[in-house]
Amino acid sequence: QKEVEQNSGPLSVPEGAIASLNCTYSDRGSQSFFWYRQYSGKSPELIMFIYSNGDKEDGRFTAQLNKASQYVSLLIRDSQPSDSATYLCAVNGPGRRALTFGSGTRLQVQP
Amino acid sequence: KAGVTQTPRYLIKTRGQQVTLSCSPISGHRSVSWYQQTPGQGLQFLFEYFSETQRNKGNFPGRFSGRQFSNSRSEMNVSTLELGDSALYLCASSLGQEGNSPLHFGNGTRLTVT
Repeated sequence: QKEVEQNSGPLSVPEGAIASLNCTYSDRGSQSFFWYRQYSGKSPELIMFIYSNGDKEDGRFTAQLNKASQYVSLLIRDSQPSDSATYLCAVNGPGRRALTFGSGTRLQVQP
Repeated sequence: KAGVTQTPRYLIKTRGQQVTLSCSPISGHRSVSWYQQTPGQGLQFLFEYFSETQRNKGNFPGRFSGRQFSNSRSEMNVSTLELGDSALYLCASSLGQEGNSPLHFGNGTRLTVT
């Protein structure tokens, strides 16, 4: 079992819709959760981080964390074609050497 | 504030050669991490430096090494290059609180080994 799992996609949504990206992790001790966006040929860009159970909103983005179920999700409201990218989930916590990344979900927003 | 700067952006090397990559972190960031990204393996952690000391290390062979200077700038060296070392090498800096600080990535160095 991978430490951080994401569906590789592609996840295709129409412009203006809500895109929902999911990530599960195996280490119950994980404490820090991050979402990065990576455009093709570019480096990862931090979108959001969340440490506590519940929702955290930043503009069109909402991160949701459920530690009991060991999943974290990212919602993108009013999706735009410019949101088309690969979204990477990353997890960290006590005893970990470093931030562990999932393999990413490719999102396609259709105009 | 300037972001993380990596040089060079592109490198082409021959098998058996060695290479040194450079990274300047965001001002005030004391932690520098290095990652290798390939299409098949995704982002793989190489090592992390904090205050000139290697704090964490990933599962890469000893051909991969690094160091950090007193101004937090970091270098990564790969010796005896192999074809499989072709990848995007990413440097990321953070404030340094282990495990909780978000990483901020540079633009990366794309290494091609022929």
